[in-house]
Amino acid sequence: AIQLTQSPSSLSASVGDRVTITCRASQGISSALVWYRQRPGKPPKVLIYDASSLESGVPSRFSGSGSGTDFALTISGLQPEDFATYYCQQFNSYPHTFGQGTKLEIK
Amino acid sequence: EVQLVETGGGLIQPGGSLRLSCGTSGFTVSSNYMSWVRQAPGKGLEWLSVSYSDGSAYYADSVKGRFTVSRDSSRNTLYLLMSGLRADDTAVYYCARGLTYRYLDLWGQGTLVTVSS
Repeated sequence: AIQLTQSPSSLSASVGDRVTITCRASQGISSALVWYRQRPGKPPKVLIYDASSLESGVPSRFSGSGSGTDFALTISGLQPEDFATYYCQQFNSYPHTFGQGTKLEIK
Repeated sequence: EVQLVETGGGLIQPGGSLRLSCGTSGFTVSSNYMSWVRQAPGKGLEWLSVSYSDGSAYYADSVKGRFTVSRDSSRNTLYLLMSGLRADDTAVYYCARGLTYRYLDLWGQGTLVTVSS
């Protein structure tokens, strides 16, 4: 099974900051990577698919990059609702594994 | 409104069986790619299974042979039949739709399964 390793596991930032979260796959997955945001007590919400495509309705402050084994999610201009946990997921092969998550907290 | 609603969770003893339901509205479950994902208390997301419109399914190793996905087109409902439940199966279980085969675009609110004696 493909393993996804997110860095960092947790991150403190302020409203308006720019932050980047990375996701590394244990083997190449082309561009078959998705980013989700999960707020406490809520289901995940898709932000980015195909590594860099912005889901409809998602603010443009979210962007994704990468291919192969190394990927990144960047949030430019953090908003209060962005303090949550972020997960990557690969769709290249079964099982469609998730990363362990990155918790973004208010500084 | 397009939505998913999971039901069927609860307290179950180790070794027991439970069937979760994922009711859908606003789209046809039988023609969509559907997944189950779970989240243990305070932990991350764990992918469990995918079910395709042709009836094929794939499972995570952690549940293979114990969990089975099925669909009822007449009820527009997806099911997860769980057997041989263990304490480490305790989690919130989510069903989700993959409108394409590339991501899960619609999620239910989840149903909590607690495995304990």
